Amino acid sequence: DIVMTQSPFSLAVSEGEMVTINCKSSQSLLSSGNQKNYLAWYQQKPGQSPKLLIYYASTRQSGVPDRFIGSGSGTDFTLTISDVQAEDLADYYCLQHYSYPLTFGSGTKLEIK
Amino acid sequence: EVQLVESGGGLVQPGSPLKLSCAASGFTFSSNWLNWIRQAPGKGLEWVASINPDGSSTYYPDTVKGRFVVSKDNAKNTGYLQMNNLRSEDTAMYYCASGGITWGQGVMVTVSS
Repeated sequence: DIVMTQSPFSLAVSEGEMVTINCKSSQSLLSSGNQKNYLAWYQQKPGQSPKLLIYYASTRQSGVPDRFIGSGSGTDFTLTISDVQAEDLADYYCLQHYSYPLTFGSGTKLEIK
Repeated sequence: EVQLVESGGGLVQPGSPLKLSCAASGFTFSSNWLNWIRQAPGKGLEWVASINPDGSSTYYPDTVKGRFVVSKDNAKNTGYLQMNNLRSEDTAMYYCASGGITWGQGVMVTVSS
């Protein structure tokens, strides 16, 4: 099974600041066939179901603000949120869908000071 | 409007069965994978089951393999999760998701005597 190690567990920032959330996989998520990384990022606001932010490690889902940026390849991935807004208060999860069983990171709680 | 609506949750005793439904609307259900993901109270996301578009292939983690069965009726635009021999550790909010993009609002399953 691929283990997804996500960090930090939580962080608190002021509006306008930038945050980075990291996810490391125990095996490469890069497909040799299409050169795509099978890594997605989700945002879950309090009391809501998760929402897809980023897929293939760096492709922003339609409608997602461009302050959300996904990067990385292979085993190391980062979600960067620039100019954090109060509405970004949420839990964030990475997901590998390279192989079964699909596995999520443990989550990062973003709090706004 | 693209939508998934889960139903069928509730309080059941350990060892009991329960069947969840996931009704889709606003998109071509038959062309998409269907996934079930759960979230125990205060915990992170856990993948539970996947089924391919035509229903011919299914996938499960070891934690539910042999107890849960995922299916989909493309004619009815509805997916299902049959859960058997439920345990207390199966207590969670259960979400269905089409591919990884559209998620339902979730349905609560509580396993307790």
